[in-house]
Amino acid sequence: AQTVTQSQPEMSVQEAETVTLSCTYDTSENNYYLFWYKQPPSRQMILVIRQEAYKQQNATENRFSVNFQKAAKSFSLKISDSQLGDTAMYFCAFMKRWNAGNMLTFGGGTRLMVKP
Amino acid sequence: DTAVSQTPKYLVTQMGNDKSIKCEQNLGHDTMYWYKQDSKKFLKIMFSYNNKELIINETVPNRFSPKSPDKAHLNLHINSLELGDSAVYFCASSQAGAYEQYFGPGTRLTVT
Repeated sequence: AQTVTQSQPEMSVQEAETVTLSCTYDTSENNYYLFWYKQPPSRQMILVIRQEAYKQQNATENRFSVNFQKAAKSFSLKISDSQLGDTAMYFCAFMKRWNAGNMLTFGGGTRLMVKP
Repeated sequence: DTAVSQTPKYLVTQMGNDKSIKCEQNLGHDTMYWYKQDSKKFLKIMFSYNNKELIINETVPNRFSPKSPDKAHLNLHINSLELGDSAVYFCASSQAGAYEQYFGPGTRLTVT
């Protein structure tokens, strides 16, 4: 079974600054995906960024980038130029590749507050 | 058009009652899921259906019974509701083999 751990229950950052959210996972799989989901107060789950484990290059989506360290089983999210709208819960998630059902295993979440 | 919809969005009921939550997706996906988010915001898979067939049942009490009348719908029926069932329930869908899951808006269930 896979486990995903987010060691920072809460974080805060000043608007326009950069913040990094941590995530570690444990798996015996070699082929998998990793994700960061955002859940604003509206509670809608929004996919922020994904990383395929077989790719060495770190994924980037606009102000969001990841630092994927496969050997260390670490997958951190960096948010640059933080905006007030980034205030939300952030969940790290794991998915086996090509698995029927493709279930997501989530970490416990990090509550991020962006301060003006 | 809403990709994944759930009804109702809020549900308040008493212990011992039976209730259902409906989920519909118009994305043409063949796989649907139910996740539970507890009061501490922890999200966990409950069920996964692929082409109306149950794929995953993650140690959920048998008071919870998913039903998939067709590939576009996955409903969740809960019997004999307990206080601990209070949570937000999310429906999601994806295409088998694809990575991205599309989530519904969630249903907040409160059992009193």
